[in-house]
Amino acid sequence: ETGVTQSPTHLIKTRGQQVTLRCSSQSGHNTVSWYQQALGQGPQFIFQYYREEENGRGNFPPRFSGLQFPNYSSELNVNALELDDSALYLCASSVDRSSYEQYFGPGTRLTVT
Amino acid sequence: TQLLEQSPQFLSIQEGENLTVYCNSSSVFSSLQWYRQEPGEGPVLLVTVVTGGEVKKLKRLTFQFGDARKDSSLHITAAQPGDTGLYLCAGDTTNAGKSTFGDGTTLTVKP
Repeated sequence: ETGVTQSPTHLIKTRGQQVTLRCSSQSGHNTVSWYQQALGQGPQFIFQYYREEENGRGNFPPRFSGLQFPNYSSELNVNALELDDSALYLCASSVDRSSYEQYFGPGTRLTVT
Repeated sequence: TQLLEQSPQFLSIQEGENLTVYCNSSSVFSSLQWYRQEPGEGPVLLVTVVTGGEVKKLKRLTFQFGDARKDSSLHITAAQPGDTGLYLCAGDTTNAGKSTFGDGTTLTVKP
């Protein structure tokens, strides 16, 4: 059984650019959630995908979007990057959309300059 | 307004000491999780509590869920340097797998 992996580990982008972050969920987990963790804070829920459909969204603007694929991989896309988007982005997989136990990847550290 | 308040924000103790950290809210949770996060890594799930008044033990760690399911505590006995990390609590109010996290307690255990 493989764990949750994310790529890239670190990324530096310029304000206004677009970025795509990738996640590979744990095998057999059909639900993935994405979180943003700013320095010194807890993770903030961005959205959740269940069987390739968005299944709930936190308080994030539409320029944050996602995709989930049948092979347990998923993407987080952020358009028109702002300085405040600098954070650790975490994905977490769970066995089902109602499961409260989530397994996190190591995160992608995004820096926007 | 933070849904989950964790205290203290920072805690620095000597190896061998005991400690308790708290997670409080005005909301009722269907479940509450505790995670530990080390620098540069994602949170690692330690325990889930679902029943009011529930107590779970994981080696030297004792987790308690309040009777009203609004608060929780984590007690560590004889802390070790390996316990150093950010301890996060997360709650699910909707029973729909979408967690709200507190801002965590940063624990440092000095040898």
